Amino acid sequence: QVQLVQSGAEVKKPGASVKVSCRPSGYTFTGYYLHWVRQVPGQGLEWMGWINPNSGDTNFAQKFQGRVTMTGDTSISTAYMELSRLRSDDTAVYYCARLVGYSGERRFDYWGQGTLVTVSS
Amino acid sequence: AIQMTQSPSSLSASVGDRVTITCRASQGIRNNLGWYQQKPGKAPDLLIYSASSLQSGVPSRFSGSGSGTDFTLSISSLQPEDFATYYCLQDYSYPYTFGQGTKLEIK
Repeated sequence: QVQLVQSGAEVKKPGASVKVSCRPSGYTFTGYYLHWVRQVPGQGLEWMGWINPNSGDTNFAQKFQGRVTMTGDTSISTAYMELSRLRSDDTAVYYCARLVGYSGERRFDYWGQGTLVTVSS
Repeated sequence: AIQMTQSPSSLSASVGDRVTITCRASQGIRNNLGWYQQKPGKAPDLLIYSASSLQSGVPSRFSGSGSGTDFTLSISSLQPEDFATYYCLQDYSYPYTFGQGTKLEIK
């Protein structure tokens, strides 16, 4: 069955970078875009961007442009989201999610379990 | 960016009640809207996509409707496991945007 397994919780200092991994299983890694969504504790969901694991193409929300990098390693079927110049308001749970379907029928059908990133001095 | 205005932000209801949650887009998004359920400490789960298509395995008491700018999620007869937070998501254009969420609580 399809699963997306993310790396464990991280604690970082302001100004540092964090790299979260997402390892899908149960389907062909290069077959579907992977998106990243974050959730500040007690708040709503925020879309960050996507990576096409087949081509390496990416697209980010303007808010994260210049600070976020999304990559994929097809040899180990793992996607990564790296966020740099961390601030306290980047403290959040970061999710990866698989997008299936075409326009008019797209949906996030499987999600990772989430990775808590805490930014604190 | 398209803004998604979800209402109400919270809702108290009883088991067996019918509830409706609405989402309004700041511009037309055709039927490019999904509904997700999230329980505390868990990742969101897909309920509805394409505004009205029920995701496989989701109980038929959940339904969605709407097109353009106005959308609704209905739960026909609330079950104890339905008390959670619900989010709409537009995937019509980037950046994808979520509604602010509706917390459904037991009355």
